[in-house]
Amino acid sequence: DTGVSQDPRHKITKRGQNVTFRCDPISEHNRLYWYRQTLGQGPEFLTYFQNEAQLEKSRLLSDRFSAERPKGSFSTLEIQRTEQGDSAMYLCASSSTRYEQYFGPGTRLTVT
Amino acid sequence: QQQVKQSPQSLIVQKGGISIINCAYENTAFDYFPWYQQFPGKGPALLIAIRPDVSEKKEGRFTISFNKSAKQFSLHIMDSQPGDSATYFCAALKGNEKLTFGTGTRLTIIP
Repeated sequence: DTGVSQDPRHKITKRGQNVTFRCDPISEHNRLYWYRQTLGQGPEFLTYFQNEAQLEKSRLLSDRFSAERPKGSFSTLEIQRTEQGDSAMYLCASSSTRYEQYFGPGTRLTVT
Repeated sequence: QQQVKQSPQSLIVQKGGISIINCAYENTAFDYFPWYQQFPGKGPALLIAIRPDVSEKKEGRFTISFNKSAKQFSLHIMDSQPGDSATYFCAALKGNEKLTFGTGTRLTIIP
């Protein structure tokens, strides 16, 4: 399968713990995006990388959130000191142009 | 401020009928308008997209109609099938490469 992959698919954590998600984009896609989707809503943009450079961050991305794409390939999204409001589906997308963004299956985070 | 408004919230269509979902946007800087299909527990899948210099785009049973002056666009699904039952999101893109999504339409196709 050559699509966007995300790991883990599901994560249950206790409030206050740190979690890290991984995204592997489609091979040779230089653009990588993170979105968050809560139940019954459309995805909301979090951040965007072109190669290893993080070019845009949403105000939704508080200081507890950090994203990296160290070698311009896979990316990680870390949430520190998780809160119940962080419970959501975290989606990764990749693209080779500014237009067609292809999404992965998402990581479902539940904070108890 | 919701920049992309989508309606209806839910839609029930008989098999073989036409499903129509509408979206309206506010920001004229948007220059690319994709539609995504999402099944439960899955990520959104790109279905079809249009740019504002075109008034209509058709791919198989899926058609986007675009009205630049009214700042509206719609998705038409012809000959709707039970396998089309999913949530559909319209979206809009501008220069900063951030997709802004509508709130989604849950489509159910009944036999």
